[in-house]
Amino acid sequence: AQSVTQPDIHITVSEGASLELRCNYSYGATPYLFWYVQSPGQGLQLLLKYFSGDTLVQGIKGFEAEFKRSQSSFNLRKPSVHWSDAAEYFCAVGANGNAGKSTFGDGTTLTVKP
Amino acid sequence: GAVVSQHPSRVICKSGTSVKIECRSLDFQATTMFWYRQFPKQSLMLMATSNEGSKATYEQGVEKDKFLINHASLTLSTLTVTSAHPEDSSFYICSAHHRGPETQYFGPGTRLLVL
Repeated sequence: AQSVTQPDIHITVSEGASLELRCNYSYGATPYLFWYVQSPGQGLQLLLKYFSGDTLVQGIKGFEAEFKRSQSSFNLRKPSVHWSDAAEYFCAVGANGNAGKSTFGDGTTLTVKP
Repeated sequence: GAVVSQHPSRVICKSGTSVKIECRSLDFQATTMFWYRQFPKQSLMLMATSNEGSKATYEQGVEKDKFLINHASLTLSTLTVTSAHPEDSSFYICSAHHRGPETQYFGPGTRLLVL
C-alpha cells in the first residue's frame, strides 16, 4: 500500500526567505507524485507533478520539487516566499498513474511572516 | 484551464434530512470524478470514485447507502448525504480527471454542517 509522510505540520518563514516542504513516500513501483496547495475553505490546486524523466520539476507560482528515489522524497521548494503563499500544502502519491486514487499526506501549514 | 464547480458551497441542515451536493466539470467532459471528505486540519480522504453511466466504487469503510453517488452525465456527479447526522459535518471536495487519469482538477468544496 502507498503512503505519504509530511514530517512538518506547521512551518513559518519570513517573506522573501526560501522555503522547503518535505515529503516522503512509500510505494512499490515508480510513483506518480503531486504537490497541491489549498487556501482556507477552498479546493486544491495542483502546483506540480512528477511522473518520469527529469527529477527536478518546475511548477506554477515559482515552485519546484525534486524527486529523489534513493531517499523516497519529493520535497517542494521556493527560493523566495511571498505573503500570498501562506496556505496548506499537500503532497500526494498516485497509484498506477491514477491521480484520483492518490494518497495524500496530512499537509503542512505554511505561515509567512511580514 | 479545466474548471470544476461545486454547489452549494455551504449548507446547513437539520439532523435526519438529506443533502445533495453537485459537482460539475464546466469546460470538459469527465468520465471519472472523485469524492473526498476532509475534516478540519486534516488531509483528504477518498470516499468514492464516480463513473459516468455506472455504479460508483466506494472506498473501504464508506457506507454506500449513506453517501449516494450518481454520475448521470459526462459533466455532472452528485453526492447525496442521506439522513445526515452531526458526525457527517465536514468539507466535501470533488475532483475530475482531465485528459486522462494522470491529472485531476478539484472543485472548491462544500462545507456541510448538520445541526
